[in-house]
Amino acid sequence: DTEVTQTPKHLVMGMTNKKSLKCEQHMGHRAMYWYKQKAKKPPELMFVYSYEKLSINESVPSRFSPECPNSSLLNLHLHALQPEDSALYLCASSQDRNGQGGGFNRGYTFGSGTRLTVV
Amino acid sequence: GENVEQHPSTLSVQEGDSAVIKCTYSDSASNYFPWYKQELGKGPQLIIDIRSNVGEKKDQRIAVTLNKTAKHFSLHITETQPEDSAVYFCAAVSGYSTLTFGKGTMLLVSP
Repeated sequence: DTEVTQTPKHLVMGMTNKKSLKCEQHMGHRAMYWYKQKAKKPPELMFVYSYEKLSINESVPSRFSPECPNSSLLNLHLHALQPEDSALYLCASSQDRNGQGGGFNRGYTFGSGTRLTVV
Repeated sequence: GENVEQHPSTLSVQEGDSAVIKCTYSDSASNYFPWYKQELGKGPQLIIDIRSNVGEKKDQRIAVTLNKTAKHFSLHITETQPEDSAVYFCAAVSGYSTLTFGKGTMLLVSP
């Protein structure tokens, strides 16, 4: 299995809703990532988990809350989002070079993303 | 931190022609350079990558070259086909940092 699976593919939510995005991989990768991508822009890093621990938070607003229940799963909990948060949310994974959470220079595999619309 | 510049932003070619996309990076410690293809409505797909100890790598119609001294790397696609039409992103990774993407190149291959 060489895939990263994201659900749902599309999500429309109101500004007062609470929803979650899910990501799953079974490649044995120990680093997992959330990216946000606006139209005609490159992906922007939001969070990095390494060995199920949050290692990087790129100053993301608290209305986005990541969770890594185990080495195969990554969630992104959404609450009180704004219309400007509408974007494609991408999950990715990669092998971690060593056990100390560093060395993210292995091939990243991206999921197909969740297209989020906040109304 | 790392900064990756990518050119051109749009590239139109005729089917069968070659296409070249160029990227430069700023951090001399960067040692891994992947290229991603992103089709409409899909996530980025890794198409080829190169490490700093290699100058060139080829996979069928796709090749990547790396010039460490000049800090630039390029993607070469030969015998382009309409299905090569997509947005292509270069990226760089430096040791303990994560991917830094270029701004992307929209490649249009006309039949």
